[in-house]
Amino acid sequence: DGGITQSPKYLFRKEGQNVTLSCEQNLNHDAMYWYRQDPGQGLRLIYYSQIVNDFQKGDIAEGYSVSREKKESFPLTVTSAQKNPTAFYLCASSDRGGHEQYFGPGTRLTVT
Amino acid sequence: QKEVEQNSGPLSVPEGAIASLNCTYSDRGSQSFFWYRQYSGKSPELIMFIYSNGDKEDGRFTAQLNKASQYVSLLIRDSQPSDSATYLCAVRNTNAGKSTFGDGTTLTVKP
Repeated sequence: DGGITQSPKYLFRKEGQNVTLSCEQNLNHDAMYWYRQDPGQGLRLIYYSQIVNDFQKGDIAEGYSVSREKKESFPLTVTSAQKNPTAFYLCASSDRGGHEQYFGPGTRLTVT
Repeated sequence: QKEVEQNSGPLSVPEGAIASLNCTYSDRGSQSFFWYRQYSGKSPELIMFIYSNGDKEDGRFTAQLNKASQYVSLLIRDSQPSDSATYLCAVRNTNAGKSTFGDGTTLTVKP
């Protein structure tokens, strides 16, 4: 059963704490992406990776970090430097041509 | 100016009508164009993609692309209440290796 999994579905943290969001795919896709979505808005790209051990900053990378040590995994760390971390975080993957992106179910992060 | 702009909505149509969703983009190097549907609280799912100028039909959905005008649209014929969702337009520049999304248009189909 191929797809993208994100965990957990809901995450609560105190301000000042770093938190890592998990993203795993078994679609054999080369490229993976992290997006942030705020209420009533579209998706904003945080980081993306087109190949293992390489990644690029997206439009809103400040306060976030990623790693891509395995093809299947692309974890996102939300650091304490991110001013407004409360949001819906979506992970996606695509083949290297990027013709279509497949999304995971998302993680809703709340920081208080 | 945003890189990808969609009609702000919300858009409301009666059941059985045609819903028209519009999107303009600024990057002339864009090569691939996508429409995603997102139900409230869920992740986006791809419903259509188009690469060449003209129309592309898939069931009740038709995507239209005009690269000269930097315009892409989605028509939904015989709209159903189950089509009520937010529709996201995405534009990809393959050289850049990433896609840019619009803010979405929320569609409500009234029975």
